[in-house]
Amino acid sequence: AQSVTQPDIHITVSEGASLELRCNYSYGATPYLFWYVQSPGQGLQLLLKYFSGDTLVQGIKGFEAEFKRSQSSFNLRKPSVHWSDAAEYFCAVGEIGGADGLTFGKGTHLIIQP
Amino acid sequence: DVKVTQSSRYLVKRTGEKVFLECVQDMDHENMFWYRQDPGLGLRLIYFSYDVKMKEKGDIPEGYSVSREKKERFSLILESASTNQTSMYLCASSLAGGATGTQYFGPGTRLTVL
Repeated sequence: AQSVTQPDIHITVSEGASLELRCNYSYGATPYLFWYVQSPGQGLQLLLKYFSGDTLVQGIKGFEAEFKRSQSSFNLRKPSVHWSDAAEYFCAVGEIGGADGLTFGKGTHLIIQP
Repeated sequence: DVKVTQSSRYLVKRTGEKVFLECVQDMDHENMFWYRQDPGLGLRLIYFSYDVKMKEKGDIPEGYSVSREKKERFSLILESASTNQTSMYLCASSLAGGATGTQYFGPGTRLTVL
């Protein structure tokens, strides 16, 4: 069965500093990988996704993620964070066709210090 | 833009009540999903549906049922609500097939069972 691990429950970053959120997955075949963001009291918004091709994917709000098959990782990065990036971030893995739902990590809570 | 709406943002019910959570999507998506979100546990899949009148159990179906009579609407039913079903409930939808497994989420319903 597939699984997703987000090792960091909370991360605190100063505004303007760079950010990397870690995600490791376990999946039998080539995975479909996603990063979602959830602002307080809101639903989930898709940041970016990887299906195939270029292993470095660009998303919205200046985020990017890199798929590394050898490390079973899909880490999310941003060169300079803004206070509005404070939110909960979820990594997820899914299968081709997407009919069976996604498996989510437990989330990383990002805190931005002024 | 895909729009997924949920009938209530906040709901308070009493133990033993029958509870209906409604979800509607406007993009003709085949797949629909119900998740619950709890602190420290991330999102867990309750039920999903890949066609009208079809349903499949997810990871935590106990205590829940679902109904999909129309393509755009997917209902989650708590037959007899219990306090351990106090949670945030998120609905999502996606297109079927290929590299289109991206799920689009509603804003969530925060259910409190007293």
